[in-house]
Amino acid sequence: GDSVTQAEGLVTVTEGLPVKLNCTYQTTYLTIAFFWYVQYLNEAPQVLLKSSTDNKRTEHQGFHATLHKSSSSFHLQKSSAQLSDSALYYCALSEDGSSGNKLIFGIGTLLSVKP
Amino acid sequence: AQTIHQWPVAEIKAVGSPLSLGCTIKGKSSPNLYWYWQATGGTLQQLFYSITVGQVESVVQLNLSASRPKDDQFILSTEKLLLSHSGFYLCAWRVSGNTLYFGEGSRLIVV
Repeated sequence: GDSVTQAEGLVTVTEGLPVKLNCTYQTTYLTIAFFWYVQYLNEAPQVLLKSSTDNKRTEHQGFHATLHKSSSSFHLQKSSAQLSDSALYYCALSEDGSSGNKLIFGIGTLLSVKP
Repeated sequence: AQTIHQWPVAEIKAVGSPLSLGCTIKGKSSPNLYWYWQATGGTLQQLFYSITVGQVESVVQLNLSASRPKDDQFILSTEKLLLSHSGFYLCAWRVSGNTLYFGEGSRLIVV
């Protein structure tokens, strides 16, 4: 079945430095959409980025990600991390065309930004 | 604007007791609705989805059930809670392009 892999459970970065959260996937569907969701402490997840176009950079709130189907990746990056970026980040894959449009989440990467 | 509201915000329940969690969405007719569950320290797992009133599909069997009694309402329930039911329950609805929007969530602790 389809799966999303987030290899790092915790990423710690110093404020002002760049950060990269890795996401790779396995899918059997040709038409797919990818998401990054962010979940702040005691809050519900909210969508941060979305993409379904190969090799096209998507940006929002200073974060960016590019879907690379050749390497099955959708890494999240930011050039300068802020303290307020500390949160749990989920990479997710939408099974387009399947019943209910199921969203499959990775296990999440906790980003900790330190002063 | 569409809004999604979940209730209760949090509950502490005893093993073996019944449970009912609710979700209401306003401002969107005939939404696709979803229940997700997040165990403490775990990822988000889809439990149920519903595309119309009276129709609910189960994705994962966790001794839970769901119902769609009204177009804007989605209910998650069980007659007998297990310790493993503890976690964060999220209702979500889908807009065009497969984006899911989540409610505030209901936190459940089973003791």
